[in-house]
Amino acid sequence: QVTLKESGPVQVKPRETLTLTCAVSGFSLSFDRVGVTWIRQPPGKALEWLAYIFSNDEKSYSPSLKSRIAISRDTSRRQVVLSMINMDAADTATYYCGRIERVVYGPTDYWAQGTLVTVSS
Amino acid sequence: QSVLTQPPSVSGTPGQRVTISCTGGSSNIGAGYVVHWYQQLPGTAPKLLIYGNINRPSGVPDRFSGSRSDTSASLAISGLQADDEADYYCQSYDGSLSISVFGGGTKLTVL
Repeated sequence: QVTLKESGPVQVKPRETLTLTCAVSGFSLSFDRVGVTWIRQPPGKALEWLAYIFSNDEKSYSPSLKSRIAISRDTSRRQVVLSMINMDAADTATYYCGRIERVVYGPTDYWAQGTLVTVSS
Repeated sequence: QSVLTQPPSVSGTPGQRVTISCTGGSSNIGAGYVVHWYQQLPGTAPKLLIYGNINRPSGVPDRFSGSRSDTSASLAISGLQADDEADYYCQSYDGSLSISVFGGGTKLTVL
């Protein structure tokens, strides 16, 4: 059974670094042809794609956030980590991780429940 | 401003058929990259509804269908039901930037 679960702080201060972890089960981060993606959604707004990391370690980032975010994986711990530096109130959002099926342009077929991160002093 | 353009809202009455459009460009949908659709019910994570332009995951009713033509795609919902009321998002891939892109979302209201 495929599951993903995010963990991380519910609140960060402006200019701090956010680190979110996505723990996966039911698939391999290195052997299966899958990827993990991060997507966020500010309150009342649309989904925004942030980044992905694929099973061959290929990575991609949103051009508007590329200077601030990094995605990495720990295959032995079955975790994918998203880091975002210099957090701002505009980064307040629900952050989702999801599994991408088969190819980089494949669908996100499984989603975690999402974690709301608030940026406030 | 989203790379893929969707109408902000659509509405229909129970039993009706509605369509939601998703317009892209030559580097994404027009380049042949497939479109996926997601349904997001209030307060929940998005759920995959249509993948690869036209395919339904197991468990998705055949009332939901997808299509693609040139630089756009559409999601059709027939036999509209009250619990179809949700936000719907399209997604594709931009080959020139090697990134995934979403539409701005469409809120479906069942009157």
